[in-house]
Amino acid sequence: EAQVTQNPRYLITVTGKKLTVTCSQNMNHEYMSWYRQDPGLGLRQIYYSMNVEVTDKGDVPEGYKVSRKEKRNFPLILESPSPNQTSLYFCASSQGLALYNEQFFGPGTRLTVL
Amino acid sequence: AQTVTQSQPEMSVQEAETVTLSCTYDTSESDYYLFWYKQPPSRQMILVIRQEAYKQQNATENRFSVNFQKAAKSFSLKISDSQLGDAAMYFCAYRSATGALDDKIIFGKGTRLHILP
Repeated sequence: EAQVTQNPRYLITVTGKKLTVTCSQNMNHEYMSWYRQDPGLGLRQIYYSMNVEVTDKGDVPEGYKVSRKEKRNFPLILESPSPNQTSLYFCASSQGLALYNEQFFGPGTRLTVL
Repeated sequence: AQTVTQSQPEMSVQEAETVTLSCTYDTSESDYYLFWYKQPPSRQMILVIRQEAYKQQNATENRFSVNFQKAAKSFSLKISDSQLGDAAMYFCAYRSATGALDDKIIFGKGTRLHILP
């Protein structure tokens, strides 16, 4: 089954404790992206990657890091989480070379930073 | 920069009735794509319908259809014969069609749709 998986689905942590949210897709997609969803703000892009070893900042990259060492994986790293990073996070992938493409979203990760 | 505006934070509709969700966008580009995504309580993001800007014909997917007005930069979603399973947050989204791999998808803030039994 074609899908995007994220782990963990729920995470409660404390300020300053490094964490990683994993994202993996099995569709051989080139383009992967991370979003955060906050009430009243919709989805905002954090980082995206056009291919292996190619990443770039989205609209709200501060406080986040990403890496793309393999095509299928695109982890989101919070080196020193803060309470304002409490949010719902989505990973998404799409076939980047096709313009008329759909983004496939993961199930979301609910992060709470105390 | 492109923007997407959904002016209705919440809407309600009686089951089996028809409801229209509005979306407007701002862009200087002539070619682009527009999408409606549905996010049910499960939080999964599901593509409902998409429209290519160069096509004048409005897209339709079963009970879902759009009213695409390019000159007015309007892209509303009509849901006919509303069902309880349609209750969700709906996001309108825009994507450039320049062909660049880094073309972003820009989302509106969402409209929460309630279905009244």
